[in-house]
Amino acid sequence: ELKVEQNPLFLSMQEGKNYTIYCNYSTTSDRLYWYRQDPGKSLESLFVLLSNGAVKQEGRLMASLDTKARLSTLHITAAVHDLSATYFCAVDIKGSQGNLIFGKGTKLSVKP
Amino acid sequence: DTAVSQTPKYLVTQMGNDKSIKCEQNLGHDTMYWYKQDSKKFLKIMFSYNNKELIINETVPNRFSPKSPDKAHLNLHINSLELGDSAVYFCASSYLQETQYFGPGTRLLVL
Repeated sequence: ELKVEQNPLFLSMQEGKNYTIYCNYSTTSDRLYWYRQDPGKSLESLFVLLSNGAVKQEGRLMASLDTKARLSTLHITAAVHDLSATYFCAVDIKGSQGNLIFGKGTKLSVKP
Repeated sequence: DTAVSQTPKYLVTQMGNDKSIKCEQNLGHDTMYWYKQDSKKFLKIMFSYNNKELIINETVPNRFSPKSPDKAHLNLHINSLELGDSAVYFCASSYLQETQYFGPGTRLLVL
């Protein structure tokens, strides 16, 4: 059974600081996704990572993938309050028509 | 234009009732999904469906049934609602197995 573990589950940061969220998964997979969810809202796609060594950046967020270690990271640079949200990583189940297994989410709170 | 839409946004109902949630996507995608997000924000796949195949998560009770009248719609019908069904239900769609786009969610409360 494919398992996806994120840590930390809760993260309180000060503005301007850097931090990394980790996502480990238990079996091989074709794709890894990062999503953002604001309270009471839907999920917004941030990144999709397809291959070993893939790195993608958007603003203050950078995601990377190490398929050998079955590890993805989401790095936050110089956090700002607007980044406060819950971040989910998700991994597709091979051969499952794209069904995603989600981590439990990391609730990020950026304080002034 | 809304890419993936769901109705209703909120649904409050009594135990034992039958209810449906509708989902529509105008992205031209070929695959649609239903996810359940519980009170701890944990997201779990329930179904995926394209015009060829329905894949059901084996942990989903058979009181839940997806119905797809056409490629742009995947509705979720729930029979004999239970307290534990209270959650937020998200519809999503994708082209093949590419990035999934999520609807706004339906907040279901069973009393």
